[in-house]
Amino acid sequence: AQSVTQLDSQVPVFEEAPVELRCNYSSSVSVYLFWYVQYPNQGLQLLLKYLSGSTLVKGINGFEAEFNKSQTSFHLRKPSVHISDTAEYFCAVSFSSNTGKLIFGQGTTLQVKP
Amino acid sequence: DTAVSQTPKYLVTQMGNDKSIKCEQNLGHDTMYWYKQDSKKFLKIMFSYNNKELIINETVPNRFSPKSPDKAHLNLHINSLELGDSAVYFCASSLQQGAGYNEQFFGPGTRLTVL
Repeated sequence: AQSVTQLDSQVPVFEEAPVELRCNYSSSVSVYLFWYVQYPNQGLQLLLKYLSGSTLVKGINGFEAEFNKSQTSFHLRKPSVHISDTAEYFCAVSFSSNTGKLIFGQGTTLQVKP
Repeated sequence: DTAVSQTPKYLVTQMGNDKSIKCEQNLGHDTMYWYKQDSKKFLKIMFSYNNKELIINETVPNRFSPKSPDKAHLNLHINSLELGDSAVYFCASSLQQGAGYNEQFFGPGTRLTVL
């Protein structure tokens, strides 16, 4: 069965520090990988996605993620966070031969402190 | 110029009532979805429609019935509301069905509270 695990439910970090949000998935077929961000009381917005090709993917707001097939991971990173990055971050997978169904991880709350 | 819009934004109602949530997208997408986000912020897909045809129907109580009058609209009707239905419901859309690589665009959510 396919699943997504976000290893940290909360990540507190000081402003301008680097951050990594971890995501692992389980699948026996090819996957597409996504990171979405949810700001308080808003819908989800796509940060970045991995479809194929280069394993390092750059997204909006200075975020990037690296796909590691052998470790079935897709960790999200930012070298220097801002207060405005405080939000809920969701890793999601879609499978190459399905109906577009997204399976989400449990979410990671990023708390950026001044 | 909202891409995916939902109404209402907040919905407070009593147990046993019937309510509907409406969703509209102006992106010209073929596929629309309903997701439920529970109190722990876990997101799970409920339904998906492609061009008015139901393509995903997860294990959702049959009190929940989606309806798609056209490919730009996907409504969610809930009968006999229960306390456990309290959640945030998100509508989303994407360009084409079966293309798992397409980004899904989410609406702002409808927070349903059942008293």
